[in-house]
Amino acid sequence: AQSVTQLGSHVSVSEGALVLLRCNYSSSVPPYLFWYVQYPNQGLQLLLKYTTGATLVKGINGFEAEFKKSETSFHLTKPSAHMSDAAEYFCAVSGGSNYKLTFGKGTLLTVNP
Amino acid sequence: DVKVTQSSRYLVKRTGEKVFLECVQDMDHENMFWYRQDPGLGLRLIYFSYDVKMKEKGDIPEGYSVSREKKERFSLILESASTNQTSMYLCASSPQGSRNTIYFGEGSWLTVV
Repeated sequence: AQSVTQLGSHVSVSEGALVLLRCNYSSSVPPYLFWYVQYPNQGLQLLLKYTTGATLVKGINGFEAEFKKSETSFHLTKPSAHMSDAAEYFCAVSGGSNYKLTFGKGTLLTVNP
Repeated sequence: DVKVTQSSRYLVKRTGEKVFLECVQDMDHENMFWYRQDPGLGLRLIYFSYDVKMKEKGDIPEGYSVSREKKERFSLILESASTNQTSMYLCASSPQGSRNTIYFGEGSWLTVV
């Protein structure tokens, strides 16, 4: 069984500040981990993913995430927030023969001028 | 670019109506999915299909059925719509394998009155 917990349903930062969105997962097999972003009235777009190899993963729009097995975490960061980063962010896990994605409940990111 | 197209962005239906949500993907993907998205609940899997005419129940299949007669097309059917099925419905597709990215359509907003 797999599950994802996103800590904080709403995160607010100032433009130029660090963005940190937290994700913890549970998986009985080696996980594949994903971050998706959803802009208003749109579908989900892949930001980045971890499958194997390097644990620090870089994605689009300056985002990155680090897979920490010992902490069962896959937190998303961006050094400097931009107004265009305002959106909802979803962490998700799959693994083994289970190709279904299990999603967290999402974190709404607000960027203040 | 992968394209997942949902035929209707906005629908309003009456309680008890039969509702069809259509989805087409153009990348010859084996897997197709229907998710439901509700505020505070994230994305929940309704049904998925890993091949033509093959389907499996997801986490919340009650009140829904699906059809996959052709590889590129995956339909979600609400046999008798109810107000608690008012939601955003997201179709997605992916190649075989759990490490592969799942690609989403733009979503269909369904309101049942």
